[in-house]
Amino acid sequence: GNSVTQMEGPVTLSEEAFLTINCTYTATGYPSLFWYVQYPGEGLQLLLKATKADDKGSNKGFEATYRKETTSFHLEKGSVQVSDSAVYFCALSPQAGTALIFGKGTTLSVSS
Amino acid sequence: ETGVTQTPRHLVMGMTNKKSLKCEQHLGHNAMYWYKQSAKKPLELMFVYNFKEQTENNSVPSRFSPECPNSSHLFLHLHTLQPEDSALYLCASSQALGGRDEKLFFGSGTQLSVL
Repeated sequence: GNSVTQMEGPVTLSEEAFLTINCTYTATGYPSLFWYVQYPGEGLQLLLKATKADDKGSNKGFEATYRKETTSFHLEKGSVQVSDSAVYFCALSPQAGTALIFGKGTTLSVSS
Repeated sequence: ETGVTQTPRHLVMGMTNKKSLKCEQHLGHNAMYWYKQSAKKPLELMFVYNFKEQTENNSVPSRFSPECPNSSHLFLHLHTLQPEDSALYLCASSQALGGRDEKLFFGSGTQLSVL
């Protein structure tokens, strides 16, 4: 079946540290992959996406590369800020007509 | 502002009450969703509507009853809930259901407390 596995949180970093949040997936076919972010008191919003192998999605300094050989889509940022504190969700879209499948979410806390 | 509006933002209800959650979008989207977000648990997909027709019901108890009168509005009717139903209920919409470029737009959620 289709599933998404994220690293357990919380992840606690100091400002300007390097961030990696691991995400691996299981899917039939060739899914699209997404990262969504949820800031405190808000709903989720799309952060970035990649629709085929070797694509790199990027937004707001965050990047993730679709790695088919390792079935991974790890989220990275070179220098985090306090404002990046949020919950990050990895997700996949297996095929047309099927709803997104989300991971459990990883809480990131950045201190100054 | 995502274009998806949920009301109320907060709701406290007793186990014998009947209440409804409302979601509205004017983005011209055809698919709408209800998710449940509980502390320390994965985001749970509850219901999916596509062109006003329910396409998914992920074994949700009958005390939750969805209604989609048109493509812009989605309701979740609640009755005889249990304390473990306390959670953040999120509504989302998308242009189409699934697909390579599917982007979900989420509301801010209704924080529900069942006493």
